[in-house]
Amino acid sequence: DAKTTQPNSMESNEEEPVHLPCNHSTISGTDYIHWYRQLPSQGPEYVIHGLTSNVNNRMASLAIAEDRKSSTLILHRATLRDAAVYYCILRESSGDKLTFGTGTRLAVRP
Amino acid sequence: NAGVTQTPKFRILKIGQSMTLQCAQDMNHNYMYWYRQDPGMGLKLIYYSVGAGITDKGEVPNGYNVSRSTTEDFPLRLELAAPSQTSVYFCASSYLEQGQMAFFGQGTRLTVV
Repeated sequence: DAKTTQPNSMESNEEEPVHLPCNHSTISGTDYIHWYRQLPSQGPEYVIHGLTSNVNNRMASLAIAEDRKSSTLILHRATLRDAAVYYCILRESSGDKLTFGTGTRLAVRP
Repeated sequence: NAGVTQTPKFRILKIGQSMTLQCAQDMNHNYMYWYRQDPGMGLKLIYYSVGAGITDKGEVPNGYNVSRSTTEDFPLRLELAAPSQTSVYFCASSYLEQGQMAFFGQGTRLTVV
């Protein structure tokens, strides 16, 4: 399985942008990059995904490096409700497994 | 549309007892997954299924069994509960295509004493 590497933790101030990095140097050409987040005491929830091009949705933006070996999840204005563990996952071409790493714990300061 | 429903939400088992964690989805998803999450840790894949009648092992399958007789249901069976199985269990489902998102249940918190 292709692996991802994320920092264990990050901090941000409320209403400031947050850039959460993810390295996936062994990504293959057909792997999708997915991001999920897990709020305290809840199940993970989908945030965003992409293949090659940058993506935007109501929750966040996903910036994918040209060589696809890294990506960055961007929260444009962090709120206290964005405090969570953020997981970067590669969904492989077979699509069968959905394997989580350790994620990045984001703390948001008021 | 309820999404992914897990029951029960909480359970305490004694060592050696057995139980089934229920998971149902109403989105007609092909894929279903079971994960466990120990305190302060990430999610570990226990078993997954790509369709009715097909199941496969994930990262940590020992001590668990699954079945997938229908598209909607994917129960997880613990035959001889051990303290090491104390964890929060999450069920998830998704469509086949790798660009599709997965939906997660709210979890079952299991304590084995």
